[in-house]
This record gives sequence, structure tokens and C-alpha cells, in this order.
Amino acid sequence: SQQGEEDPQALSIQEGENATMNCSYKTSINNLQWYRQNSGRGLVHLILIRSNEREKHSGRLRVTLDTSKKSSSLLITASRAADTASYFCATPVTMEYGNKLVFGAGTILRVKS
Amino acid sequence: DAGVTQSPTHLIKTRGQQVTLRCSPKSGHDTVSWYQQALGQGPQFIFQYYEEEERQRGNFPDRFSGHQFPNYSSELNVNALLLGDSALYLCASSLPGLLADTQYFGPGTRLTVL
Repeated sequence: SQQGEEDPQALSIQEGENATMNCSYKTSINNLQWYRQNSGRGLVHLILIRSNEREKHSGRLRVTLDTSKKSSSLLITASRAADTASYFCATPVTMEYGNKLVFGAGTILRVKS
Repeated sequence: DAGVTQSPTHLIKTRGQQVTLRCSPKSGHDTVSWYQQALGQGPQFIFQYYEEEERQRGNFPDRFSGHQFPNYSSELNVNALLLGDSALYLCASSLPGLLADTQYFGPGTRLTVL
């Protein structure tokens, strides 16, 4: 079963606008990660936010985490056509020898030029 | 510094056949995880290899098996292929143990079962 659920499922915006995607999860976490996937290919790690952090920035990305609501949001500012991709949140589940990532179903972002 | 590599890029098989997918981890990483991503879904954890042994396994049948070699590269084998096995198979590598906050993904192998 999937831990995270992204909202919306799909988002279409004009270049230059901001895009906001939300993720909800079910269990307590140590951190939450966001990944990008272009055209059904490999996942690219974007940003990791730890459970004791509320907000984190990386370039045009801003991630927030609300552990009381078990939710996170990813904001992409001044979007570009190249930002068109699927975005996934993922939470690590600790196992005996390491972590496995549990992903949501993703948000498909389309940025129109 | 090479990232995670996977081969082949695409593969077409028929039901009942067997397939082997390959993965080389990022330099310095010795833990390899495999994920299956069906169309329109997020990736689902299949299993993880560390020190040439399967350490953890997701909810996948025994038709899915793997191997890790001394150079940390890994193979995913699927026997008796079903139509439902059609998916993108992703390999991810990470640092060992609980230090591994981040996993680095390869480009994936697209498997189509006819």
C-alpha cells in the first residue's frame, strides 16, 4: 500500500506561474523526500526535509512539512516548460538493514509555454 | 562519477518467459534496491540487496528474485512472466544501512509482456 498521497493528480499551468503540490502520509516519519520523473524515466531526487524542519528551500523549490497534519507541500516558483514532469513524495520506512521508500501516486505537472 | 546505470532500456517478452534486468550502483554505494512502477502509479519496493544477500522484501511473489555480485552490481529476475508484470523497473542505490537517507535511481528498464 502507498504511504503518501499527492494532490492534485494533475496540474496544468502557464510558464512563469507557481505550482503547488501536496502530499499526505499516514505514519510517523524521520524525513520526507520529493522526487521528479520525466517522461516515465528514472527518478531524480529533489529535496529532503527532516521531521524537525518546517520549511526548506532549494533554488526555485520550497518544501514545507506539517507533522501534526501529516502533510507536506512542494512549491515550484516561476515555473518553466522544463519543469513538466511527474512529482512524487516518498517517505522512508526503516528496515533492519536500511530504508525502503514508500511513494505516493504522484502529481503530473504540465507547464505550458 | 557515474550514476546508477541499468540495462537494457527496453524489453519485450511474452507470457511465461523469464527476464533478467541489470543494475550497476553509483560509485561508493553498496546497497541496491529494486522498485516496480506500473503505469500511472508510484514505484513499489520489490527487495533490497546488501552484502550479496536479500535483506528485505516487499509484497512480491517468489517469481521475482535477485542477486548481488561482489562488485555491488545487481540483477532482477522475473520468471513465468504475466501481463501484469509490464512496468518500469527501477534500480536505486544508496549508502549502507540506516545512513541511507537518499536513494539514487537509475533510468529504469521498461518491460512489456505480450
